[in-house]
Amino acid sequence: DIQMTQSPSSLSASVGDRVTITCRASQSISTYLNWYQQKPGKAPKLLIYAASSLQSGVPSTFSGSGSGTDFTLTISSLQPEDFATYYCQQTYSTPRTFGQGTKLEIK
Amino acid sequence: QVQLVESGGGVVQPGRSLRLSCAASGFTFSNYGMHWVRQAPGKGLEWVALISYDGSNKYYADSVKGRVTISRDNSKNTLYLQMNSLRAEDTAVYYCAKDQRVFGTGVTYCDYWGQGTLVTVSS
Repeated sequence: DIQMTQSPSSLSASVGDRVTITCRASQSISTYLNWYQQKPGKAPKLLIYAASSLQSGVPSTFSGSGSGTDFTLTISSLQPEDFATYYCQQTYSTPRTFGQGTKLEIK
Repeated sequence: QVQLVESGGGVVQPGRSLRLSCAASGFTFSNYGMHWVRQAPGKGLEWVALISYDGSNKYYADSVKGRVTISRDNSKNTLYLQMNSLRAEDTAVYYCAKDQRVFGTGVTYCDYWGQGTLVTVSS
């Protein structure tokens, strides 16, 4: 199985900050990597698919990059509604493993 | 608009069975693969199972393989998850999610999710 490791596990930041979350795969997954945002008590929401493609309706402050084993999710200017938990997921093979999550909190 | 509504969760004793349902609307259900993803209380997301659009291919997480069966009834626009021999560690919110594919690329992602149904395994 492919293991997905996110860093950091938690992060404190302020509105307006630029934030980067990293996701590393235990083997190459090309660009078969998606990012989701989840707020407490809610279902996950797709942000980025195929490592760098922005899902329709998602603000352009979100961007993704990477290929192979190393990926990043960047929020260029944090908004109050961005404070949530973020997950990466590989879709290169089954099981479709998620990272453990990164909780983004207000500083 | 796309809607996915899970049901069937509840409190069940260890070793017993439970069947979850996910009613889909707003899209042509029979054209899309479907996933189950779960989340234990206070924990992260765990992918559980995937079924192809026609039910011919099924994939499972190692943690549930042999105890869980994913199925679908395209005539009823409904996805199912039959869970047997339930354990305390199966306690979680279970989400169904629609699988979207980019034709010819192998790219796939979950673009719509239900609100989840809570399964609690406890004596």
